[in-house]
Formats: sequence, C-alpha cells, structure tokens
Amino acid sequence: DQQVKQNSPSLSVQEGRISILNCDYTNSMFDYFLWYKKYPAEGPTFLISISSIKDKNEDGRFTVFLNKSAKHLSLHIVPSQPGDSAVYFCAATSRSGYALNFGKGTSLLVTP
Amino acid sequence: DAGVIQSPRHEVTEMGQEVTLRCKPISGHDYLFWYRQTMMRGLELLIYFNNNVPIDDSGMPEDRFSAKMPNASFSTLKIQPSEPRDSAVYFCASRSQGAHTEAFFGQGTRLTVV
Repeated sequence: DQQVKQNSPSLSVQEGRISILNCDYTNSMFDYFLWYKKYPAEGPTFLISISSIKDKNEDGRFTVFLNKSAKHLSLHIVPSQPGDSAVYFCAATSRSGYALNFGKGTSLLVTP
Repeated sequence: DAGVIQSPRHEVTEMGQEVTLRCKPISGHDYLFWYRQTMMRGLELLIYFNNNVPIDDSGMPEDRFSAKMPNASFSTLKIQPSEPRDSAVYFCASRSQGAHTEAFFGQGTRLTVV
C-alpha cells in the first residue's frame, strides 16, 4: 500500500517560471518529509526536508510547504532552470521507523 | 568519504542464474537500506539494517531474495534464481543515527534478467 503518493507522473514548465510538485501521504505518524532529485543513471540526491513542527522550509530557489491537516506537501522551485529537469521523489518517515517511504516520483521538464 | 558505493553498475544475466549486488555504505552510518526502482512501483524498500542487523525485510518480494550485512562496511543483496520480472534498478542507501536525517544513495545497479 502506497503511503506516499505523487499523483502527477510528469510536469513541464518554462524556464523562469515556478514549478510546483505535489505529494500526499496517508500515515499520520510521519513527522519528517524529504524531497530527492534524481538524474538518469544516478542515485537520488537529497534536496530539502521539513519537520512536522514547521509548515515551510526554504533553501535558495527551493521551498517546501507542509499542510499537516491535509496530509499534503509541495515543493516550489522559483525560478525554474533547465538544469532542474529531473525526477523528484517525495519521501516520509517517522521517529518510530527509520526507513524512508517514497512516492513514485514526478518527472519535471524545464524548457528554455 | 566517497559516498555509498555499489557494484556492479550494470548486470545482465540469464533467467535462473544467481545474481549478487554489493554495497559499501558511508563510514559511520548505522543504517543501510536496499531499494528497488521500477516504473510501476517507484522506489520500494526491500530491507534495511541497523548496526548490521536486519530490522525489516517485509519488502523482500520472495524467498528468492536475500540480503546480508556481515560487517559495517559491506552488504549484499542476492537473487537466486533470478527471473525477468526482477529487472530493475537496485539502490543501496545509508544514513546516520537519528530519526531526522537524510539517507545517501549509491548510483544503483541496473539489473537485466533475460
């Protein structure tokens, strides 16, 4: 059963515009959320995270928003750049379990 | 540190053969994870270890899959016998102690079973 869901398999955005990637989760025990970025033929690399005690975390062009009541988080990339084209995975974990539960990923294409 | 190291990067084998994937985690990390990536299921957790001890292997699809961690710097994932549906990219990841830390991934092993 998929506890972390990314319902958009793909997203295309123009360079300079905002990219918004969405993620939903079902397990209310999750209290730490992460976004990973993956290029072809490489392993996923950590991008940004957020704890459940916060509703926003920002790192440069990347911002993650958490809505606990809706069990929803989103990743905003502003402005989007062609080098951001990759697959983005949402992941979640809890204090009682140390494994990361991943969504299926969203493939982002940023066009010039 | 060189990061998580996996070998081989690519493996092509015939159905019925034994396949062994290898992983060297980041030194000092207490947790080691094996994930499998497919188009249908995304990144799914197969098994993870804490201090070399298997903690949760509920994601291992069948008895054909087994994993070991004989010491803190080495782990293997074995498939015996392999089947075409095992074709996927297998990732190893490690992380340090503490609930809120990120995991670091290796570059993966692309397995093709023909």
